[in-house]
Amino acid sequence: AQSVTQLGSHVSVSEGALVLLRCNYSSSVPPYLFWYVQYPNQGLQLLLKYTSAATLVKGINGFEAEFKKSETSFHLTKPSAHMSDAAEYFCAVSLSPEIQGAQKLVFGQGTRLTINP
Amino acid sequence: KAGVTQTPRYLIKTRGQQVTLSCSPISGHRSVSWYQQTPGQGLQFLFEYFSETQRNKGNFPGRFSGRQFSNSRSEMNVSTLELGDSALYLCASSLGLGQGNHSPLHFGNGTRLTVT
Repeated sequence: AQSVTQLGSHVSVSEGALVLLRCNYSSSVPPYLFWYVQYPNQGLQLLLKYTSAATLVKGINGFEAEFKKSETSFHLTKPSAHMSDAAEYFCAVSLSPEIQGAQKLVFGQGTRLTINP
Repeated sequence: KAGVTQTPRYLIKTRGQQVTLSCSPISGHRSVSWYQQTPGQGLQFLFEYFSETQRNKGNFPGRFSGRQFSNSRSEMNVSTLELGDSALYLCASSLGLGQGNHSPLHFGNGTRLTVT
């Protein structure tokens, strides 16, 4: 069964420091992977997605993620944290649809990112 | 282009009652999915609709049901509410077309349901 594991439910970094949020996946087939961000009292917003076109994926707000098949990882990074990055981040894998076009995401448990001034 | 709209934003119900939540997808999107978000279980898939047909279903009891209308708007219903149904219910829409489709989901801001 396909699944994702996010290492660290809480991550705290200083403003201007590197952000690294970890995600490992389990999949028997080439996975489709996503990172979403959720701000308080809001829904999820797509940061970036991996669909096998390139291993380094650039997303919005300066975030990027690298797909490493050998490590079954898809970690999210940002070179310099900003106060506005404080939010909860979710890694997700899209299950292979049994029905053409059907969508189903399996999410990790989320990582809450805190930025210290 | 307007985003995914969910109504109401907040809802308080009593155990045993039923509730209906509404979702209007992004214009042109034909797939609507529903997710439940709780602190303990995280984000869990409820079901997905496309062209008024349920294509995919999560592992929830039959008290949870949904439907989609011809204009792609969707509703989900929870009958005989339990305290454990308290959660943020998120609706997401996507184009939903094509084999192996993995087009991104666009989420609404959710309906926060509290069962007392």
